[in-house]
Amino acid sequence: DADVTQTPRNRITKTGKRIMLECSQTKGHDRMYWYRQDPGLGLRLIYYSFDVKDINKGEISDGYSVSRQAQAKFSLSLESAIPNQTALYFCATSALRGKSDNEQFFGPGTRLTVL
Amino acid sequence: GDSVTQMEGPVTLSEEAFLTINCTYTATGYPSLFWYVQYPGEGLQLLLKATKADDKGSNKGFEATYRKETTSFHLEKGSVQVSDSAVYFCALRRGRQLTFGSGTQLTVLP
Repeated sequence: DADVTQTPRNRITKTGKRIMLECSQTKGHDRMYWYRQDPGLGLRLIYYSFDVKDINKGEISDGYSVSRQAQAKFSLSLESAIPNQTALYFCATSALRGKSDNEQFFGPGTRLTVL
Repeated sequence: GDSVTQMEGPVTLSEEAFLTINCTYTATGYPSLFWYVQYPGEGLQLLLKATKADDKGSNKGFEATYRKETTSFHLEKGSVQVSDSAVYFCALRRGRQLTFGSGTQLTVLP
């Protein structure tokens, strides 16, 4: 079974709709991240959370919100979707381990299309 | 702010050819450097990393050396295989966040 799962894997929605993307992990990691991937732009960080009570904005947080419901769950919401939010969204996790650089483990991605 | 610049793709090679994907970075201090690989339909996976100057990361025949003097972390492989076809991302970490390059699509033909 996958350690980092994302639901849904694909979603088509209309402008103005509220959308929630969910991420769950069984790795026991404290840190969780949401990225979006656009062609030619690589991955850009939307939000990240280092524990249940810690939420931080990333590079491109406008138009998004997040909820860390539990250590294992981190949801991304688009309150009112717009077409330029059409992208591939990835959740990632990493372990808190002192000051060492910890590998991020990525989910399989959610392809979101906003019409 | 921090940034990562990768050579633009797509890159197409024949099997057993030599691969180089260039990566340069801009950051203050001493970031850690990473190469991630994304196979079709999957999330990113860490390929290799280096945490200080002159370190060489290696994995699955791929290598990259952290060059502080040229702010570079070029990815190399001596003999690519069809199974290496993927998108490769260079990234740096300074503080809490990873900063990614735009990715380089590699296609290896049999």
